[in-house]
Amino acid sequence: DTEVTQTPKHLVMGMTNKKSLKCEQHMGHRAMYWYKQKAKKPPELMFVYSYEKLSINESVPSRFSPECPNSSLLNLHLHALQPEDSALYLCASSQEQGGLSGNTIYFGEGSWLTVV
Amino acid sequence: KNEVEQSPQNLTAQEGEFITINCSYSVGISALHWLQQHPGGGIVSLFMLSSGKKKHGRLIATINIQEKHSSLHITASHPRDSAVYICAVKGRTQGGSEKLVFGKGTKLTVNP
Repeated sequence: DTEVTQTPKHLVMGMTNKKSLKCEQHMGHRAMYWYKQKAKKPPELMFVYSYEKLSINESVPSRFSPECPNSSLLNLHLHALQPEDSALYLCASSQEQGGLSGNTIYFGEGSWLTVV
Repeated sequence: KNEVEQSPQNLTAQEGEFITINCSYSVGISALHWLQQHPGGGIVSLFMLSSGKKKHGRLIATINIQEKHSSLHITASHPRDSAVYICAVKGRTQGGSEKLVFGKGTKLTVNP
């Protein structure tokens, strides 16, 4: 199983809503990532969890709140988002964070988020 | 200057043609990733390489560490190869942690 599964695939939410994006992998990977991708742009790193602890926060606004309940799951809680937060949110995982040099990174299919 | 530069930005080919996508990087690396992203959004890791050449089916990736350059080749291209191909290398966050630095991608369209 080399899959990273993301749900939902599509989400439309209002600026006052609270919603969550979910990501799951069963490859035993200890590093999990959230990326944000706008149209025709490369992915931008948001958060990295290593061994279930937040290791990188790329100065992401607090309206995005990550959570890693266990080694297989990664959530991104969304609250009071702005229309400019509409984007594709990609989850990824790799064996180790520090081993980016030698580890393949696996991406999910992404969650398309629209904030209205 | 971007740390990872890809060329061309857009590429249109006829089915069966040999395709080459180039990636140059300015950071010191120990591995480079080639990724494929379809319009649906999901990203697939095609290759991770640190030296020489790798082949998978009709895809070939090469890297020259001294010249800081990598190429992705597609032989006998097919319309299903139409996608955005992204080169990524290890870089550093402002805090000094490792992260992937992505090129802007090459949009490939293969016409039947």
